[in-house]
Amino acid sequence: EAQVTQNPRYLITVTGKKLTVTCSQNMNHEYMSWYRQDPGLGLRQIYYSMNVEVTDKGDVPEGYKVSRKEKRNFPLILESPSPNQTSLYFCASSLLRTLSTDTQYFGPGTRLTVL
Amino acid sequence: KNEVEQSPQNLTAQEGEFITINCSYSVGISALHWLQQHPGGGIVSLFMLSSGKKKHGRLIATINIQEKHSSLHITASHPRDSAVYICAATLGRGADGLTFGKGTHLIIQP
Repeated sequence: EAQVTQNPRYLITVTGKKLTVTCSQNMNHEYMSWYRQDPGLGLRQIYYSMNVEVTDKGDVPEGYKVSRKEKRNFPLILESPSPNQTSLYFCASSLLRTLSTDTQYFGPGTRLTVL
Repeated sequence: KNEVEQSPQNLTAQEGEFITINCSYSVGISALHWLQQHPGGGIVSLFMLSSGKKKHGRLIATINIQEKHSSLHITASHPRDSAVYICAATLGRGADGLTFGKGTHLIIQP
C-alpha cells in the first residue's frame, strides 16, 4: 500500500531531551516536507527536501533539523525540545520536485508534547 | 496579514445544502491546493489547480487567477463531509513551499 508513515504517533517528553520523529514513504517520491499544526495558526512548513542531500528551510525552521540521506526517509530532529514545540506534526511527500504540478500525500501525524 | 486567507472560519449547514468555501491570496501563485482534514486528524489532498476548474464527485474547485481567488464547492452535502478544509498556495514563482490558510471548520447536520 502506497503510504507515508510517521513514528511515533504520540510522544510526551521533557525539555532538552533530544528526539527524532521518523518519516518514510514507499512511493519513490522526490519531494518531502515537514509541517506543524497549531490551534489558531494552522499548518506551517518547517523544512522540505527536493532530493537526496538537498534540504531547505520553510517558514518556521528554528529549533529543528532534518536530513535526507535516502530518498524514502526524512527524519525530523529536535536537538533540545522546548514547550513551544508542542504541536501536531505532519510529514508529506509528492512525486515531483515542484509543488506547482503535483499533489501531496500526508502522513498520519505525530502529536508531540514537551513538558 | 496572512498571505492566504480563507472564509468562513466556521460553517454549519444542513444535509443537502450547497456549500462554498473561499480562499484568497495576495501575491501571484504557481498552484493552489485544497486539503481535507478529518476529525481524526488525517489530511487528504483534494485538488491541486493552477487555472480553471476541477471536479471530483460532489466536490468542485475553481480558481480565478486575475482575482486571486479560489472556491471549493460541495454539492448535496452529507454529514460525512464534516471536516476542516484547508487551502494552500505555492506563492510567487517558486514552487518549493506551501503557505496555508487557517482552515474552514465545516459541520453538516443531518
